[in-house]
Amino acid sequence: NAGVTQTPKFQVLKTGQSMTLQCAQDMNHEYMSWYRQDPGMGLRLIHYSVGAGITDQGEVPNGYNVSRSTTEDFPLRLLSAAPSQTSVYFCASRLAGGTDTQYFGPGTRLTVL
Amino acid sequence: ILNVEQSPQSLHVQEGDSTNFTCSFPSSNFYALHWYRWETAKSPEALFVMTLNGDEKKKGRISATLNTKEGYSYLYIKGSQPEDSATYLCAFEGSARQLTFGSGTQLTVLP
Repeated sequence: NAGVTQTPKFQVLKTGQSMTLQCAQDMNHEYMSWYRQDPGMGLRLIHYSVGAGITDQGEVPNGYNVSRSTTEDFPLRLLSAAPSQTSVYFCASRLAGGTDTQYFGPGTRLTVL
Repeated sequence: ILNVEQSPQSLHVQEGDSTNFTCSFPSSNFYALHWYRWETAKSPEALFVMTLNGDEKKKGRISATLNTKEGYSYLYIKGSQPEDSATYLCAFEGSARQLTFGSGTQLTVLP
């Protein structure tokens, strides 16, 4: 199993540009989440999904969109990038039942100029 | 927004010392408490998932306890080694089944 994969690893954008961060998992996990990590702030939840076709907002959703058309993929879209979105983004997945471990992808480091 | 607090923020110990950190979380709507180890430039790696009041988990020299009634968990490292240097995160999972993370405790073990 590849686990949770994310692309790209690094990205530099100009203010106002749009882009999609890709996330995929091959563990047949129902739950998938996007977090951003900023210094001194820990991991903050952006959006999450409990299954294909179902998404919901987390703590910091503004400026981001998500969709979940398949169990495997959960892309995060930045519609119009702002410098405040400079961060490290982590995708994570876990099974829905019980209290299973959440697995993280390797992260995408995004800089918005 | 749920309040998950970790203390201390950072800690320096000598190789061989034992140490512990605290995670405080809401005592209502509790589902599980997760502990992660996070090394620089890597992604968080799961250590424990704890669900029951009084739960104790152990993995090598690392162990954790859980008190859901008062809303805290302790992580212990016995005989710290330089390779234990990392940030240790806890995450509260409530009835909504989403994880809310603390800011972490950054541990540095000096040789």
